[in-house]
Amino acid sequence: ELKVEQNPLFLSMQEGKNYTIYCNYSTTSDRLYWYRQDPGKSLESLFVLLSNGAVKQEGRLMASLDTKARLSTLHITAAVHDLSATYFCAVASGGSYIPTFGRGTSLIVHP
Amino acid sequence: EPEVTQTPSHQVTQMGQEVILRCVPISNHLYFYWYRQILGQKVEFLVSFYNNEISEKSEIFDDQFSVERPDGSNFTLKIRSTKLEDSAMYFCASITDRTNEKLFFGSGTQLSVL
Repeated sequence: ELKVEQNPLFLSMQEGKNYTIYCNYSTTSDRLYWYRQDPGKSLESLFVLLSNGAVKQEGRLMASLDTKARLSTLHITAAVHDLSATYFCAVASGGSYIPTFGRGTSLIVHP
Repeated sequence: EPEVTQTPSHQVTQMGQEVILRCVPISNHLYFYWYRQILGQKVEFLVSFYNNEISEKSEIFDDQFSVERPDGSNFTLKIRSTKLEDSAMYFCASITDRTNEKLFFGSGTQLSVL
């Protein structure tokens, strides 16, 4: 059974600081997703990573994938309050295109 | 950008009652999914649907649950006899084909079972 572990689960950081969220998974991945969820809202797709060494960046967020280590990271650069949300990692593997989600990282950025 | 639409946004029901949650996927999408999220917990896969039949389902999707696409546009999730533990946010999602990168999620239906 595919397991997806995120850490930390809660992250409180100051504006302007950098931080990384980690996503480990238990089997080989076909694709890895990062989603953002604002309170009471739906899931917004941020990144899809398909291959080892893949790196994608959008604004202050950068995601990377190391399939050998079964690890993806979501790096936040110079955080701003608008980035406050819950970030989910999800992995599809074994020929299934259905993402299995991690528990999410609740990020709060303080002024 | 096209959207997946879900109705109602909130549904309150009594334990043991039947509920139907409705979704209108994006028009050219072929694969449809239901996920749920119990408050504060992770997003859990329920079922996927393609070509008018279930393609995969999770252990959560037991005999109390059913899905159908009655008219070629709506995609519904029915819970026959709701339990307290069915209280959750239910998300519908769709995708053009399974090699497509982006799974589009609807805004969700918050189901509260009393």
